[in-house]
Amino acid sequence: AQKVTQAQTEISVVEKEDVTLDCVYETRDTTYYLFWYKQPPSGELVFLIRRNSFDEQNEISGRYSWNFQKSTSSFNFTITASQVVDSAVYFCALSEGINTNAGKSTFGDGTTLTVKP
Amino acid sequence: GAVVSQHPSWVICKSGTSVKIECRSLDFQATTMFWYRQFPKQSLMLMATSNEGSKATYEQGVEKDKFLINHASLTLSTLTVTSAHPEDSSFYICSAEDVDTGGTEAFFGQGTRLTVV
Repeated sequence: AQKVTQAQTEISVVEKEDVTLDCVYETRDTTYYLFWYKQPPSGELVFLIRRNSFDEQNEISGRYSWNFQKSTSSFNFTITASQVVDSAVYFCALSEGINTNAGKSTFGDGTTLTVKP
Repeated sequence: GAVVSQHPSWVICKSGTSVKIECRSLDFQATTMFWYRQFPKQSLMLMATSNEGSKATYEQGVEKDKFLINHASLTLSTLTVTSAHPEDSSFYICSAEDVDTGGTEAFFGQGTRLTVV
């Protein structure tokens, strides 16, 4: 069975600090997708990134970067020069299978990030 | 990007009444939609998979007769909470997969906050 662990329940940083959110996953499938979502206080899920199991390239998008390491089953998310608007709950999620149902994901418990001015 | 719209965004109902929540894919077709429930400060838990033109598949522990799901068209799935009770109060979120992406892309609605009094 699949499982996603976000060990950090809450993180608090001061604006402009860098912060890394950890995600460790478990799956028996060789084909899967990993996701990161942001959930601001308003509640909606904001899609940040999707990475398939065959693509271990790290990705950078503006202040966001993701480090995918299959050897350690981790998919960590780093925010550089954090801003107050980054304050939210961040979820890591996993979808398994060759016929991947991206909408059917197992979510981690989330990490609440608070960025203080 | 693709848009999934949920309606209503929030609803308050009396105990014992039924509430219907709609999930619409606005600019793509979705043969499969998913319904999640999120309790305060908790993760998203998959409730059921909604398939267009067929019966929904419910996760273990989810009462089929209480959470009625109908997916009558390629752009609409509905979740009806029947005989709602205060313990059903939660945040309900749907996701829809874009048929054209083979299930690798999914989009989440903005969620519906249900409060049963």
